[in-house]
Amino acid sequence: QLQLVESGGGVVQPGRSLRLSCAASGFTFSNYGLHWVRQAPGKGLEWVAVIWYDGSNENYADSVKGRFTISRDNSKNTLYLQMSSLRAEDTAVYYCARARAVAGAGDGMDVWGQGTTVTVSS
Amino acid sequence: DIQMTQSPSTLSASVGDRVTITCRASQSISIWLAWSQQKPGKAPNLLIYKASRLESEVPSRFSGSGSGTEFTLTISSLQPDDFATYYCQQYDSYPYSFGQGTKLEIK
Repeated sequence: QLQLVESGGGVVQPGRSLRLSCAASGFTFSNYGLHWVRQAPGKGLEWVAVIWYDGSNENYADSVKGRFTISRDNSKNTLYLQMSSLRAEDTAVYYCARARAVAGAGDGMDVWGQGTTVTVSS
Repeated sequence: DIQMTQSPSTLSASVGDRVTITCRASQSISIWLAWSQQKPGKAPNLLIYKASRLESEVPSRFSGSGSGTEFTLTISSLQPDDFATYYCQQYDSYPYSFGQGTKLEIK
């Protein structure tokens, strides 16, 4: 079945880096754009970044621009989020999600992972 | 950047009620709006895309409407499984953005 599985979360000190991964199965990975969305404890959803199906385009939330990098390896069916210069306010559950639109980034997000928790604390 | 504002933030209702949640965009987003449902400790679940198109396998008691800057999500007859938090999300332009959420509680 359609599945996204995140990994790589943990506790990290402010200013350090962390890389999240999202492994996909059950669909043609290279046909879909992919998003990262995060949710701070007790808060709402925050869109973080998107990468197009072929990796040709990326976009970021202002809050992470210049610090986070989204990438993908279509040969490994895996999405990544490289996070650097982490701050306490980056503490959240990070979800990867598939764009519903084939070969696009829109029409909402129809497949989600279970989330991985990132805690930034000294 | 486009700001999305949902109202109300919390809604108390009973099983069988008809409820409506509103989402307003700070500028026109045409029909590029999605609605999702999230239950505690779980990932969100897509309900509606393109403002009014029902995602497959989503019950027909859910419906969406609107265009431009004002949108609504309506649940025609609340079921026990519907008590959750609902989010709108615009995908008209980057950065994409979510509303702050509407928590639907049992009265």
